[in-house]
Amino acid sequence: GAGVSQTPSNKVTEKGKYVELRCDPISGHTALYWYRQSLGQGPEFLIYFQGTGAADDSGLPNDRFFAVRPEGSVSTLKIQRTERGDSAVYLCASSLSGSSYEQYFGPGTRLTVT
Amino acid sequence: AQSVTQLGSHVSVSEGALVLLRCNYSSSVPPYLFWYVQYPNQGLQLLLKYTSAATLVKGINGFEAEFKKSETSFHLTKPSAHMSDAAEYFCAVSGKNDMRFGAGTRLTVKP
Repeated sequence: GAGVSQTPSNKVTEKGKYVELRCDPISGHTALYWYRQSLGQGPEFLIYFQGTGAADDSGLPNDRFFAVRPEGSVSTLKIQRTERGDSAVYLCASSLSGSSYEQYFGPGTRLTVT
Repeated sequence: AQSVTQLGSHVSVSEGALVLLRCNYSSSVPPYLFWYVQYPNQGLQLLLKYTSAATLVKGINGFEAEFKKSETSFHLTKPSAHMSDAAEYFCAVSGKNDMRFGAGTRLTVKP
């Protein structure tokens, strides 16, 4: 079956611009996660959704970052006033339940802020 | 809080040699532990997971890992490396609402 998909695969934007990154989870997965992976590092947790609600957003670095999941399926990560330090690969994962028992990852969106 | 530490950011082995990637964990509760592999420009793929059942866990592509509570370790091994095993490997522990990853180990396989 289809895995987690993310669009775009690559995004180049100028400092100060607004970007949206999209994640389509595996059908039927109620839990959805966003991670950020900087060069040479492991993924770092940003936010976790259970259904439509953000159950844990403690990993969002500041208020420029925001994510939504209005219908409990597709999620969008939004970054306002982008900074060069936001450059990273943004990974989305989904799982059947909210236990983080086993997460399935998408290929990521590589964001470059110039 | 749960965390993992991967010892060695780079490991190089010859084709056919033993692969050993080290991971130590810290957890105040019995952990769920994972190993993921990441090929260039791809997402993370689950190799294997430990969920408090058998301490020796077998995964895909001939990999296995052993949970050792006394050593707080969950090292990944493969008896004979293949060129296709060259990738980045991440150890992870499940937190309350997320997965906590190590910094990764890049495995190089020499012909």
